[in-house]
Amino acid sequence: AQSVTQLGSHVSVSEGALVLLRCNYSSSVPPYLFWYVQYPNQGLQLLLKYTTGATLVKGINGFEAEFKKSETSFHLTKPSAHMSDAAEYFCAVSDPEDYKLSFGAGTTVTVRA
Amino acid sequence: DAGVIQSPRHEVTEMGQEVTLRCKPISGHNSLFWYRQTMMRGLELLIYFNNNVPIDDSGMPEDRFSAKMPNASFSTLKIQPSEPRDSAVYFCASRAKGPYDTEAFFGQGTRLTVV
Repeated sequence: AQSVTQLGSHVSVSEGALVLLRCNYSSSVPPYLFWYVQYPNQGLQLLLKYTTGATLVKGINGFEAEFKKSETSFHLTKPSAHMSDAAEYFCAVSDPEDYKLSFGAGTTVTVRA
Repeated sequence: DAGVIQSPRHEVTEMGQEVTLRCKPISGHNSLFWYRQTMMRGLELLIYFNNNVPIDDSGMPEDRFSAKMPNASFSTLKIQPSEPRDSAVYFCASRAKGPYDTEAFFGQGTRLTVV
């Protein structure tokens, strides 16, 4: 079974500062990994995903994440935060042979002007 | 494609009443998920279907909850009888199976309030 741990339920950053959201996973097989974003009163939207190949993946809105198998991590970063990045972010893991998608508890990002 | 469509967007009902939430997945997707989101418990997977067959319903909280997928384009989540602790946002998501179509697409959710 897969599971995801997101470190830090709330992150506050200044506009223009680095955004770093941490995600560690547990999986018995090479996983598929995802980051989703949720804006208030909306559904979840895919930011980026890792399946196979290049371990550094780029997503929408300037976000990127790096798959590190040795650390079982998939941390999300953005070099320069924008006010519009204020949202809740979810890391998710999936077994490639299974349909189940398991989510972490989420990290709420606030951006200070 | 219009994406995953959920109805209603908002539902307010009295304790003890039956509630039915509806979902239309993206055409061609063969997996469907129901999630519940609350402040206390976060995003919980209730049940998921593959090719209209329930695969894992271990997340369904109790017998008051039931889900069906009579065909590839429609699913329902029913709560009978409803209780105030069922108040939450319920999301439906669908997913295709293939080498590249790996992510789930979410609907806008149904905000359920049981009073």
